[in-house]
Amino acid sequence: KAGVTQTPRYLIKTRGQQVTLSCSPISGHRSVSWYQQTPGQGLQFLFEYFSETQRNKGNFPGRFSGRQFSNSRSEMNVSTLELGDSALYLCASSLELGGGYEQYFGPGTRLTVT
Amino acid sequence: AQSVTQPDIHITVSEGASLELRCNYSYGATPYLFWYVQSPGQGLQLLLKYFSGDTLVQGIKGFEAEFKRSQSSFNLRKPSVHWSDAAEYFCAVGRLTGGGNKLTFGTGTQLKVEL
Repeated sequence: KAGVTQTPRYLIKTRGQQVTLSCSPISGHRSVSWYQQTPGQGLQFLFEYFSETQRNKGNFPGRFSGRQFSNSRSEMNVSTLELGDSALYLCASSLELGGGYEQYFGPGTRLTVT
Repeated sequence: AQSVTQPDIHITVSEGASLELRCNYSYGATPYLFWYVQSPGQGLQLLLKYFSGDTLVQGIKGFEAEFKRSQSSFNLRKPSVHWSDAAEYFCAVGRLTGGGNKLTFGTGTQLKVEL
C-alpha cells in the first residue's frame, strides 16, 4: 500500500503571499492531521479532519486553514505568509476503524518564506 | 493538558552498545503512547505504539518500549545500536478528544552513533 504523499515537497514563497499544500492519505484512512515542525517550537498540531469535518484545531491563527475532500485527500492553506511560517509541514493519516489510531506521516512539505 | 518530556536533547552511543531514550508524559487518563523516528529531511516513521495490555511493546528495527504507569514513563530501548539508527527520536502521547485524534510530541532526542 502506498504511504502518505505530500505535494509539493519544497516551496519558496514571499511574505504576504498565500500557499496551498496537499496531502493524500493512505488508502482507506479517514483521518488526516497536519503538523508544523520548526527548530524553535518543535512539532505542533495544526488541525485534524475526519469525513470532511474539522474535529480538532491547534493554537494557530486564522491564517491557517484546511479542508478535506470526499476521497479523504486534504489541503491546508496559509494566507498572508510571514517569515515565521517557514517550517516543515507534515501530514499524517490514520485508519481509526477497529482502533487504528496510530498516525502515519508523509515526507512533509518544506516551506521557506522570504 | 497533555504534555511529553524528553529530558535528553542529545545522546551519543557507540555502535553495538545498548540504548535507552527517556520519555515522561502527563495525561489525565490512560494514554496512547508512540515513538517515532525522523531522519534528516524526512517525515516521521512510527517505531512502536502502546494502547493497552502488555506494558512491554515491540516495534520495528529491534526497538522496544516499556509503559510504566507509576512513573508516567514510556522509555525506548534497543539492546545493540547500529550506525543506521542515528536520527532524531520523538515520543508522543495521543488523545482522542471529542472523537478527534491529536498527538502531542516531546522535543525530541538526537541520537549520534559512534563507529
